[in-house]
Amino acid sequence: GENVEQHPSTLSVQEGDSAVIKCTYSDSASNYFPWYKQELGKRPQLIIDIRSNVGEKKDQRIAVTLNKTAKHFSLHITETQPEDSAVYFCAAMGGTSYGKLTFGQGTILTVHP
Amino acid sequence: DARVTQTPRHKVTEMGQEVTMRCQPILGHNTVFWYRQTMMQGLELLAYFRNRAPLDDSGMPKDRFSAEMPDATLATLKIQPSEPRDSAVYFCASGLELAVEQFFGPGTRLTVL
Repeated sequence: GENVEQHPSTLSVQEGDSAVIKCTYSDSASNYFPWYKQELGKRPQLIIDIRSNVGEKKDQRIAVTLNKTAKHFSLHITETQPEDSAVYFCAAMGGTSYGKLTFGQGTILTVHP
Repeated sequence: DARVTQTPRHKVTEMGQEVTMRCQPILGHNTVFWYRQTMMQGLELLAYFRNRAPLDDSGMPKDRFSAEMPDATLATLKIQPSEPRDSAVYFCASGLELAVEQFFGPGTRLTVL
């Protein structure tokens, strides 16, 4: 089955800096890669996703890039704010596990004012 | 706005007791997913349904866990008998089709003593 590795496990930045979280996946047939943000005690919420037919997607301060050859994708947050502090999860779906999201272990992002 | 709802939000029970968790997917969504979240294992998919039919429950311990969709507006996850290692947050998510975004419910925090 699919295996997703996420790094780093914790990330601490100053307000205004950029943050980058990276994930690798194992199933070359995977074709859908969402990113979820989970605040303490809350539900995971989708913040951005990308499909395998594009290499980059942006939405205001967040962007995701995908390298299918290397089987990795990254989340970029620019101009970070304290409210960006949360746990971020990457996931992969498709190929032999169609319909099934496999999540990375999560990254605890802390943005210091 | 439309959201996935789950009941109960919190459940404390003793080992050996039966636990039933309920989920109401967003109206019109035809896929329903059950996830378990723990610090050690992260987010794990237990089972998922499409049009009320189970597609994959390979992530679920078969001897004690069962998942059903009695109708399109209700999904249930049952644990019988419960064990302390079942303590976790159980999330339900729903979506329109398999390869698109999943919307998570608020979760049920289960503690088995």
